[in-house]
Amino acid sequence: GDSVTQMEGPVTLSEEAFLTINCTYTATGYPSLFWYVQYPGEGLQLLLKATKADDKGSNKGFEATYRKETTSFHLEKGSVQVSDSAVYFCALSHPGYNKLIFGAGTRLAVHP
Amino acid sequence: DVKVTQSSRYLVKRTGEKVFLECVQDMDHENMFWYRQDPGLGLRLIYFSYDVKMKEKGDIPEGYSVSREKKERFSLILESASTNQTSMYLCASSYQDRTYEQYFGPGTRLTVT
Repeated sequence: GDSVTQMEGPVTLSEEAFLTINCTYTATGYPSLFWYVQYPGEGLQLLLKATKADDKGSNKGFEATYRKETTSFHLEKGSVQVSDSAVYFCALSHPGYNKLIFGAGTRLAVHP
Repeated sequence: DVKVTQSSRYLVKRTGEKVFLECVQDMDHENMFWYRQDPGLGLRLIYFSYDVKMKEKGDIPEGYSVSREKKERFSLILESASTNQTSMYLCASSYQDRTYEQYFGPGTRLTVT
């Protein structure tokens, strides 16, 4: 079945450092890919998405590119802030399918 | 702003008790979902509903049931709580044609002793 694998956390960075959180997937066909973020004490919220190969999703300084050849969707940010501290979930879904499949989540801690 | 609210943030129940978790959304979304979130396992879908009185099993429905009598409200029921149901429970909702864009509540941390 379909699955999503994320790098284990926690990832600990200093403010203004470069961030990469790795995500790879296994799926049949051509899924859409997503990053969700969960800030402390809150529910998840959609951060960005990409619906086809080579698409780049971006939001709030975060970016991820849908790489079909490597089945990856790595999340990047050039300069993290303390306020980016959260848990990040990679997910996939097939169009018309009532289901999101989530990775295990990666906790990011940014210190001043 | 879309708002998804859950009835409790923290809940402690005893083994064998019947437990109700309530979720309400205010955006007239057709779809509603219940997940459990466990460390290292991410989110796993328990049940979802695509309309009033309609439901489908997710990946881990055993030990749970659901009820959707009104469009805005989706309840998760643990008929006889067990310690392995100690977890964080998340409710979400979405429009029918945008299932990928789910709006989540803050979660209920349930402890079964």
